[in-house]
Amino acid sequence: AQSVSQHNHHVILSEAASLELGCNYSYGGTVNLFWYVQYPGQHLQLLLKYFSGDPLVKGIKGFEAEFIKSKFSFNLRKPSVQWSDTAEYFCAVIPNTNAGKSTFGDGTTLTVKP
Amino acid sequence: DAGVTQSPTHLIKTRGQHVTLRCSPISGHKSVSWYQQVLGQGPQFIFQYYEKEERGRGNFPDRFSARQFPNYSSELNVNALLLGDSALYLCASSMIGGVGAEAFFGQGTRLTVV
Repeated sequence: AQSVSQHNHHVILSEAASLELGCNYSYGGTVNLFWYVQYPGQHLQLLLKYFSGDPLVKGIKGFEAEFIKSKFSFNLRKPSVQWSDTAEYFCAVIPNTNAGKSTFGDGTTLTVKP
Repeated sequence: DAGVTQSPTHLIKTRGQHVTLRCSPISGHKSVSWYQQVLGQGPQFIFQYYEKEERGRGNFPDRFSARQFPNYSSELNVNALLLGDSALYLCASSMIGGVGAEAFFGQGTRLTVV
């Protein structure tokens, strides 16, 4: 069965600091990868996704993620965070063989201090 | 534009009771997925429906069931409620049932079992 690990449970940064959130997955086949964000009081929304092609994916609000197949990783990055990036971030995996069965990590709470 | 709407937003049930949660997808979306999110964890996939047919099922007991109606709205039913069923239940809709479809999440239904 597939699994997703987000090793950082809570990250605290000052504004303008660089961000990298780790995501590792366990699955032997081809996968599709997602990062979702949940701002305080709002619903989950898609930040970015990777299906194939260029392993460096750019998303909304200046976020990007890099798929490293050999490391089973899909880390999320942002060069300079803002206070408004304070939110919970979830990594998710969907195997190519099963479109419906997504697996989410347990999330990383990011707090950006002004 | 109306997003994914879920009802009710909160409810309290007693152990052993039955509960029905409802989801209305975004207009034009034909796929609905259900997730359970326990506090401190990521969403766990329960079901996906596309064009009124079950496309995927997560590792949940048979007490959990769902269906999708001709207007693409969906219900999640849980029988014989246990304390452990207390969670936020999320519904997500997408235009198609495939991996490439972006999922849009609702605000969720907070279920408390006492």
